[in-house]
Amino acid sequence: AQKITQTQPGMFVQEKEAVTLDCTYDTSDQSYGLFWYKQPSSGEMIFLIYQGSYDEQNATEGRYSLNFQKARKSANLVISASQLGDSAMYFCAMREGADDKIIFGKGTRLHILP
Amino acid sequence: DTGVSQDPRHKITKRGQNVTFRCDPISEHNRLYWYRQTLGQGPEFLTYFQNEAQLEKSRLLSDRFSAERPKGSFSTLEIQRTEQGDSAMYLCASGFLGGGLAGPYEQYFGPGTRLTVT
Repeated sequence: AQKITQTQPGMFVQEKEAVTLDCTYDTSDQSYGLFWYKQPSSGEMIFLIYQGSYDEQNATEGRYSLNFQKARKSANLVISASQLGDSAMYFCAMREGADDKIIFGKGTRLHILP
Repeated sequence: DTGVSQDPRHKITKRGQNVTFRCDPISEHNRLYWYRQTLGQGPEFLTYFQNEAQLEKSRLLSDRFSAERPKGSFSTLEIQRTEQGDSAMYLCASGFLGGGLAGPYEQYFGPGTRLTVT
């Protein structure tokens, strides 16, 4: 079974609108962490936001927020007031237990339209 | 530039040749990770070091692959007898226990080395 599922291969969003990128995960560990990374065409993976499984509040970093719904095993990324520079691949990822490696989803390609 | 650096950025090689990639992590980071990313996929974990000790290796890392981090600083990833299926982006990341927005598990990625095997 896929550990990280991103069901949206691609999305087109008008500039300045908010956008939600979906992510569901599968784990039997009680302790885990969820990440979102951005990968522009240059190829570098840019860390955006992190949510620990025991964090009670949803993580926020500037225009990024993580909508963490533990019972549904969902960790959607919300980008407010999208900008042209947000056009990129976005990866949801997870680490489990004491494990240090990150497991990535297949990504969602986001296109911001002017 | 104090980020993670990788060299070379691009490598084209013929099938059967050996290649070696280098990763220089952020200087105070004691953890170093290698991932492989093929077209249209997310990165897949290959191996990870804490200081000079290689703590975990993925089953993806066949016996043609070897990684080292001899002095706990830079790391090398060598692929022997390359195959066309080895064509991918090889990403290095570093992190350190005890800090960062993502706590002890935050990883900072380098720009990657794109390998093409012809």
